[in-house]
Amino acid sequence: DVKVTQSSRYLVKRTGEKVFLECVQDMDHENMFWYRQDPGLGLRLIYFSYDVKMKEKGDIPEGYSVSREKKERFSLILESASTNQTSMYLCASSLKGARGTEAFFGQGTRLTVV
Amino acid sequence: AQSVSQHNHHVILSEAASLELGCNYSYGGTVNLFWYVQYPGQHLQLLLKYFSGDPLVKGIKGFEAEFIKSKFSFNLRKPSVQWSDTAEYFCAVKAGTALIFGKGTTLSVSS
Repeated sequence: DVKVTQSSRYLVKRTGEKVFLECVQDMDHENMFWYRQDPGLGLRLIYFSYDVKMKEKGDIPEGYSVSREKKERFSLILESASTNQTSMYLCASSLKGARGTEAFFGQGTRLTVV
Repeated sequence: AQSVSQHNHHVILSEAASLELGCNYSYGGTVNLFWYVQYPGQHLQLLLKYFSGDPLVKGIKGFEAEFIKSKFSFNLRKPSVQWSDTAEYFCAVKAGTALIFGKGTTLSVSS
């Protein structure tokens, strides 16, 4: 079974803190993604990566950055957390290029910024 | 820009009722379409997917979806829902590398 593991289920951080969300996948997938999920807004793509050290902006990259130093690990960084970044963050991974290949999701990290 | 539109925000049904959740997409390339489900407290799971061939796709737990190219639609159906189908359902289109999701439909099934 594919496993996508997010390091924390719940996080509470203060405004202005630098926050790291970590994600690891064990299926040697080339692609990895960060989404945020908000009620009524569905899942919105923040950033994705198709290879080590490669990254692409998604629909809502402002206030976030990412790091992918190893194939299995993809980190989301909030440089200076703000209350409007309180959300559920979902990491996903998928194979590269194959048609019909779905994304596999982690359990999510519920981040609260106070 | 690529987008996915789910028509129903919240659907309430009684057990044994039939279900149809609407999904329309906007994407000019080769279409890969997905339905995901998120049960309360659980991670997103794939229900079914379409990428070629028979436009009627069968998934897990008795769900199916029909791809209608002329209508840019990929509606999800189930003939008889159960209380355990209570969940949030997301339609998605694969646009290049990433999946673009709709806003989701919450399904509540009463026993």
